[in-house]
Amino acid sequence: NAGVTQTPKFQVLKTGQSMTLQCAQDMNHNSMYWYRQDPGMGLRLIYYSASEGTTDKGEVPNGYNVSRLNKREFSLRLESAAPSQTSVYFCASSPRVGTGPYEQYFGPGTRLTVT
Amino acid sequence: AQSVTQLDSHVSVSEGTPVLLRCNYSSSYSPSLFWYVQHPNKGLQLLLKYTSAATLVKGINGFEAEFKKSETSFHLTKPSAHMSDAAEYFCVVSVVQGAQKLVFGQGTRLTINP
Repeated sequence: NAGVTQTPKFQVLKTGQSMTLQCAQDMNHNSMYWYRQDPGMGLRLIYYSASEGTTDKGEVPNGYNVSRLNKREFSLRLESAAPSQTSVYFCASSPRVGTGPYEQYFGPGTRLTVT
Repeated sequence: AQSVTQLDSHVSVSEGTPVLLRCNYSSSYSPSLFWYVQHPNKGLQLLLKYTSAATLVKGINGFEAEFKKSETSFHLTKPSAHMSDAAEYFCVVSVVQGAQKLVFGQGTRLTINP
């Protein structure tokens, strides 16, 4: 099993450009998440999908959109990138079976720089 | 609102000495708590989790944490540090609002001196 995979690993964008970060998991998990990590701030939740067909905003959703394409895939889109979106982005998934709590499994991250 | 506070942004210890990473939580009910570790340029890996079954929780690589309700703490310890323990450590609380969400502390960077 590959676990949680993310593409690309690195990306440099100019202000105003758009891009989509891809995430896939092969663990048959129900829930998927997108986080951003900035120095000294831990990880902050951008969007999540509790189950296939649903998405909800997290703590810092402004400037982002998401699509839960199917049970395996959850993408994050930046429509018009801004320097404030320079960060490391992590995708995670969790099984959400039973009463929990559920461990989240993380991908390796995408390092995004917006100039 | 549930939250965690990691009391030290950076901890430095010598190899072979004990490690203590401190975490306090805020929760209106019995929380579920986790410690995750992130090695440089890597994703996050679960070290251990507390689910109210036992107050002393053992994790991977010799780490353990003790849940103390009276002190609202969940400190991470290891008796003897190894060079490979150098990483960033995150204390995390679980929030269930429809879906389970994790709320992360700010992180503690652990440095091991030879």
